[in-house]
Amino acid sequence: NAGVMQNPRHLVRRRGQEARLRCSPMKGHSHVYWYRQLPEEGLKFMVYLQKENIIDESGMPKERFSAEFPKEGPSILRIQQVVRGDSAAYFCASSPPRIKETQYFGPGTRLLVL
Amino acid sequence: GDSVTQMEGPVTLSEEAFLTINCTYTATGYPSLFWYVQYPGEGLQLLLKATKADDKGSNKGFEATYRKETTSFHLEKGSVQVSDSAVYFCALRGSNTGNQFYFGTGTSLTVIP
Repeated sequence: NAGVMQNPRHLVRRRGQEARLRCSPMKGHSHVYWYRQLPEEGLKFMVYLQKENIIDESGMPKERFSAEFPKEGPSILRIQQVVRGDSAAYFCASSPPRIKETQYFGPGTRLLVL
Repeated sequence: GDSVTQMEGPVTLSEEAFLTINCTYTATGYPSLFWYVQYPGEGLQLLLKATKADDKGSNKGFEATYRKETTSFHLEKGSVQVSDSAVYFCALRGSNTGNQFYFGTGTSLTVIP
């Protein structure tokens, strides 16, 4: 059973470009979470999704950021018009359908905005 | 709201030394508590967890006990190894906040031979 997969592992973008980060949850997991880790800081919750539904997006910046988890395919975190402050590691986690389950993390995507 | 306060690092220990990393939490209800470990360039790996008061989580020689009276979940290991060098994160999943996790800022541990 493969773990949580994220790609790309590293992404370099220039200011103003778009960044698309992908996350494939573990097999059998229908809950996906995105976190952002700024340098020297802990992880900050961004958004919690189930298939085709955003459950909690209280941690998402109001502008430029969006997330989806379609019926088929990976979850996508999209950052439009990136700025240098978006440079961070973005981690995806997944958990099984039952609530209160442990979250399993992917290796992260390290975004660098030049 | 729910939050986690974690001992700041960095921590440097000699091999075979005793390790304690403090973690306290604030939460309503009955949260679950976790320790995750992050090795350089990698994602977080679950180290151990406890889901109710007085539970002790343990794994790979690490232990942490869920203390509701002191709202703490300190991580301990009796004899650290060089391979334990990593960043350790204390985390909480609230009972009233859906499935969102709250993480501490992380404690960097370096073990020297």
